[in-house]
Amino acid sequence: GAVVSQHPSRVICKSGTSVKIECRSLDFQATTMFWYRQFPKQSLMLMATSNEGSKATYEQGVEKDKFLINHASLTLSTLTVTSAHPEDSSFYICSARDDVNYGYTFGSGTRLTVV
Amino acid sequence: GDSVTQMEGPVTLSEEAFLTINCTYTATGYPSLFWYVQYPGEGLQLLLKATKADDKGSNKGFEATYRKETTSFHLEKGSVQVSDSAVYFCALSDRGSSASKIIFGSGTRLSIRP
Repeated sequence: GAVVSQHPSRVICKSGTSVKIECRSLDFQATTMFWYRQFPKQSLMLMATSNEGSKATYEQGVEKDKFLINHASLTLSTLTVTSAHPEDSSFYICSARDDVNYGYTFGSGTRLTVV
Repeated sequence: GDSVTQMEGPVTLSEEAFLTINCTYTATGYPSLFWYVQYPGEGLQLLLKATKADDKGSNKGFEATYRKETTSFHLEKGSVQVSDSAVYFCALSDRGSSASKIIFGSGTRLSIRP
């Protein structure tokens, strides 16, 4: 079945530094990928839609300069949390949509802790 | 806009009990409907899906039927196990659209007692 690899699974960083999270579709092409944020015991909040070869589409209230998204190939999207602060600590999950059958596959998530 | 409403948790049941988690949706088009499961510390796994009215999705003993007349997609399982303890999300997407995305319900935490 379709597999999405998300790395790293856990990361701890200092305030003010930047962190990059990778989302890779392993056996299918994904022109479109999605980035979600999940707070403890809450649902997934869509942050942005990542489009291969073009700019990401951000949801209302999400700072595009804070959360940089790059989708340089049909199998890879990256989310960079710039100048991270403790309030950015969260669980980030990516999803890739298969170009052929529009199926959605989720990564295993990244637990970001900013200290 | 499109939305998903599911019953609030937590839901606590004894092993072998019958499970129902209610889910209703609001959509302008003809969405695909999904149930996802999230185990502690992990991402989401697709549990089952249905793409048109009256379709029944099923997997691992779980079932849900796409009811257009009641705009519902309730999740059921006849006999739950401890290993079913997780958070369950009902979701929809506007199928077939290049701009489609998944919209999630708030999630229902399920705990099964041995």
